[in-house]
Amino acid sequence: GESVGLHLPTLSVQEGDNSIINCAYSNSASDYFIWYKQESGKGPQFIIDIRSNMDKRQGQRVTVLLNKTVKHLSLQIAATQPGDSAVYFCAETGATNKLIFGTGTLLAVQP
Amino acid sequence: KAGVTQTPRYLIKTRGQQVTLSCSPISGHRSVSWYQQTPGQGLQFLFEYFSETQRNKGNFPGRFSGRQFSNSRSEMNVSTLELGDSALYLCASSLEGGQEKLFFGSGTQLSVL
Repeated sequence: GESVGLHLPTLSVQEGDNSIINCAYSNSASDYFIWYKQESGKGPQFIIDIRSNMDKRQGQRVTVLLNKTVKHLSLQIAATQPGDSAVYFCAETGATNKLIFGTGTLLAVQP
Repeated sequence: KAGVTQTPRYLIKTRGQQVTLSCSPISGHRSVSWYQQTPGQGLQFLFEYFSETQRNKGNFPGRFSGRQFSNSRSEMNVSTLELGDSALYLCASSLEGGQEKLFFGSGTQLSVL
């Protein structure tokens, strides 16, 4: 079946460092990928998305990289701040047009 | 512009009861999707409604149902509650439907005792 998984459940970084959160997906037919951030007590918040015809997309302090050869997605956060502390989910849309979420990575930013 | 609003924020029910959760999408958004979030299973798609019609459905039993009204507000209902239904139920809206650029509410935390 379809699945999206994360390599690291918890990532601890120092304030000001760059963070990299990784995600593996299994459905090679997926054509749209999204990163969400979920803070405690809130719903997921859209961060950045990328389509399968792209390898890289940049936003404000965030970059998403897509490697279709190895079915790998990553989120890079530059100059990580305490406000970036949250759980980050990758998600993909499969052939059924249902959003499939990964298990999440907890990003802990140390001051 | 107000975000997605879900009510109630917290709910406690007992096994066998039924529950109705409400969601008001962002003004102008015509699609509402529902997700269940649990520590064990993560975020799982329940269903999507667009213009009062269910457009897509996840792999949940028939006890889970929903509907959408003409003003795009949506409700989901869970009948004959089970302990395993305890979860955070999230509603998300989008402008044109599908699962792109969803805007989530803060959810309803349901506890089944």
